[in-house]
Amino acid sequence: AQSVSQHNHHVILSEAASLELGCNYSYGGTVNLFWYVQYPGQHLQLLLKYFSGDPLVKGIKGFEAEFIKSKFSFNLRKPSVQWSDTAEYFCAAVMDSNYQLIWGAGTKLIIKP
Amino acid sequence: EAQVTQNPRYLITVTGKKLTVTCSQNMNHEYMSWYRQDPGLGLRQIYYSMNVEVTDKGDVPEGYKVSRKEKRNFPLILESPSPNQTSLYFCASSPRTLMNTEAFFGQGTRLTVV
Repeated sequence: AQSVSQHNHHVILSEAASLELGCNYSYGGTVNLFWYVQYPGQHLQLLLKYFSGDPLVKGIKGFEAEFIKSKFSFNLRKPSVQWSDTAEYFCAAVMDSNYQLIWGAGTKLIIKP
Repeated sequence: EAQVTQNPRYLITVTGKKLTVTCSQNMNHEYMSWYRQDPGLGLRQIYYSMNVEVTDKGDVPEGYKVSRKEKRNFPLILESPSPNQTSLYFCASSPRTLMNTEAFFGQGTRLTVV
């Protein structure tokens, strides 16, 4: 079955540390990939998306992600995190088999000031 | 302003008392969907609708109903809520199918069933 997996459920970093959150999907066909962020008590906000073309995509708030087709991965990165990046991050995919959003379980990121 | 509006934002109810969570979008989107978010499980799709009068089950439809009588509205109905339906619910809409487009999400409805 198609699925999206996020490797870490909880990540704790200090301010200014570099961030990489892993995301893998299981599907051999065409996929669209997304990263969403949910700040405490708030709704989902799109960070970035990949449909096609340049596999390195840049999003809001200094985030970027790289689509590596051979690894079925779409990892989220940020060179230097801030306390305000404390949130839960979700990876999601749309696959051309059923055209529905499939979500990872989420990663809770805590940034220590 | 283009938006997806859910109401209510917060709801506490008792087991068995029918309730409806409304979702409305002003973007003339064909596709709408409901998700529930639970800790450690991410978001799971409850129902979706490709257009007016066209609805289909998602991954966790049990205990829920939906209707799509108008393009802009997609209410979620819990005929007899139970405590295991305590969750955070999100409605989303998209111009067509979700491929090569972005979904727009409502603010969420936090439901507690006691």
